[in-house]
Amino acid sequence: QLQLQESGPGLVKPSDTLSLTCTVSGGSISSSDYYWGWIRQPPGKGLEWIGSIFYSGSTYYNPSLKSRVTISVDTSKNQFSLKLSSVTAADTAVYYCAKHNVGGTFDYWGQGTLVTVSS
Amino acid sequence: EIVLTQSPGTLSLSPGERATLSCRASQSVSSSYLAWYQQKPGQAPRLLIYGASSRATGIPDRFSGSGSGTDFTLTISRLEPEDFAVYYCQQYGSSPFTFGLGTKVDIK
Repeated sequence: QLQLQESGPGLVKPSDTLSLTCTVSGGSISSSDYYWGWIRQPPGKGLEWIGSIFYSGSTYYNPSLKSRVTISVDTSKNQFSLKLSSVTAADTAVYYCAKHNVGGTFDYWGQGTLVTVSS
Repeated sequence: EIVLTQSPGTLSLSPGERATLSCRASQSVSSSYLAWYQQKPGQAPRLLIYGASSRATGIPDRFSGSGSGTDFTLTISRLEPEDFAVYYCQQYGSSPFTFGLGTKVDIK
């Protein structure tokens, strides 16, 4: 059974860079059938797709965040990572990592991790 | 970007009743690339429907999806106690992927 687990600091200071890692277990991240993505959800609000990466390193991002986002993959560790720079309070959210097929439906999700931006 | 508008915002129903949730897109969703997710408090979303009408693995047949173009519907034929949750639609026909703001189905 495929499992995804987010990890990283729960508190980030304004203007700093948010860094999260997603560890994939029960399957290989190096599949040509899937992409790996990040989605976030501010408290009490809806879902926002941040971006996705293929095992080869090919990425695509939400234009609304593209200038601040970097997603990378480490196939040797079966992990992919998110960096979001210059964070503000508006970036406070639960961050989810998820697998999606080439089409774009997210069928496996991590449990999510709350990241609070505050001094 | 395609904006998805879900209605109603909240649906108050009793177990056993039928739930009809709407998702309207600001422009046509190509190839009916529209999905529905269920989210319960403190949990990640769960994929219910993809391709507008195909149930994901393990999803009970009381959940059904329909629609095309800009108008889509999720129907729960008879609400079970575990179905009270928030439901989101998502389009994946064009980048960026976008989600609606959700419909909360709560107990009347």
